[in-house]
Amino acid sequence: AQTVTQSQPEMSVQEAETVTLSCTYDTSENNYYLFWYKQPPSRQMILVIRQEAYKQQNATENRFSVNFQKAAKSFSLKISDSQLGDTAMYFCAFMKLRSGETSGSRLTFGEGTQLTVNP
Amino acid sequence: DGGITQSPKYLFRKEGQNVTLSCEQNLNHDAMYWYRQDPGQGLRLIYYSQIVNDFQKGDIAEGYSVSREKKESFPLTVTSAQKNPTAFYLCASIDWLSGANVLTFGAGSRLTVL
Repeated sequence: AQTVTQSQPEMSVQEAETVTLSCTYDTSENNYYLFWYKQPPSRQMILVIRQEAYKQQNATENRFSVNFQKAAKSFSLKISDSQLGDTAMYFCAFMKLRSGETSGSRLTFGEGTQLTVNP
Repeated sequence: DGGITQSPKYLFRKEGQNVTLSCEQNLNHDAMYWYRQDPGQGLRLIYYSQIVNDFQKGDIAEGYSVSREKKESFPLTVTSAQKNPTAFYLCASIDWLSGANVLTFGAGSRLTVL
């Protein structure tokens, strides 16, 4: 079974600064996806960024980027130029690639990191 | 607009009562999922369904039941056998055919047992 660990329950950052959220995972799979989702106070889950394990290049989405270290099973999220609207709970998630009609695929989530951006 | 609709948004239940949470999607997604969220524990998978008339247990299925009679609907019943049902419940779906492999979530349902 896969496990996802986020070791930072809470973090804070000043507006316009950079912050990095940590995530490690444990799996014996070779082909999989990794995700970061954010959950603002509205509690709506929003995809932040996605990384395919077979891609060596780190994914980026505007101010959000990841540092994917496959051998170390590490997947950290960097938020640059933090904005007040980035305040949210951030979840790291793992999904192995779908492997057949009956097994299906599922997302396994970490415990989350509550990020607060201060003015 | 396409999306996932969960209802009700808030639900109160007395102990010993069953309650059903609705999840409807108009995204034409094949797979649907139910997650439970508790403070400090992230999201835990209750049940998931890859196709109509088929579903599998997740990590915490005890005390819950589901059905998948239509592609667009995946209701979750919280039974009286669930010992601690107060939680936030999230429904999600995924489109395997597009290759994006991204889970889309509904807005959630908050269940409180009185």
